Amino acid sequence: DAGITQSPRHKVTETGTPVTLRCHQTENHRYMYWYRQDPGHGLRLIHYSYGVKDTDKGEVSDGYSVSRSKTEDFLLTLESATSSQTSVYFCASATGVNTEAFFGQGTRLTVV
Amino acid sequence: AQSVTQLGSHVSVSEGALVLLRCNYSSSVPPYLFWYVQYPNQGLQLLLKYTSAATLVKGINGFEAEFKKSETSFHLTKPSAHMSDAAEYFCAVSAGIGGYQKVTFGIGTKLQVIP
Repeated sequence: DAGITQSPRHKVTETGTPVTLRCHQTENHRYMYWYRQDPGHGLRLIHYSYGVKDTDKGEVSDGYSVSRSKTEDFLLTLESATSSQTSVYFCASATGVNTEAFFGQGTRLTVV
Repeated sequence: AQSVTQLGSHVSVSEGALVLLRCNYSSSVPPYLFWYVQYPNQGLQLLLKYTSAATLVKGINGFEAEFKKSETSFHLTKPSAHMSDAAEYFCAVSAGIGGYQKVTFGIGTKLQVIP
């Protein structure tokens, strides 16, 4: 199995505070992704990266930023958390174009 | 642009019965198609993928899917459902555009298997 770990696995935070979620992969995959999963919406892409320091927006990027300073790490930051950002967040990585994505176990974030 | 439509957010089958989960896609370029499975409180894992080599794709746990270009479909089937198949299933389409991969997922279908 691909080694993708997310931290933390669970977090409760207050509205208005910044939050950073971390994704770490040991597979030397070029592509990394952040998704959020919500009932009735499936997985929606927040941001993705196609290399170190190369990132782009997904379909639901408002209120989120990302950084990738090393191949293995992809950070997702909620700049000022809102209740609408309560969700389960998944990180994934892939070797290249049109290849299988490997997922982490997810982070359950609750904004109160 | 690309999109995926999964028909039926919840599907119930009896143990031993045929499983059919429907997926239709749209893509402006030849697509790569995937089915993923998610068990409770876990991440997604690949069941099977279509990469244009063959229209009938076999995956893990006895699942298979058939790519039908004329119908823009990639339905997932299993001849005989097992209790352990109860999970949520996601269809996804991938298109490499300009060298960058973007993957779009459907909303998922929860499969319930009734003993």
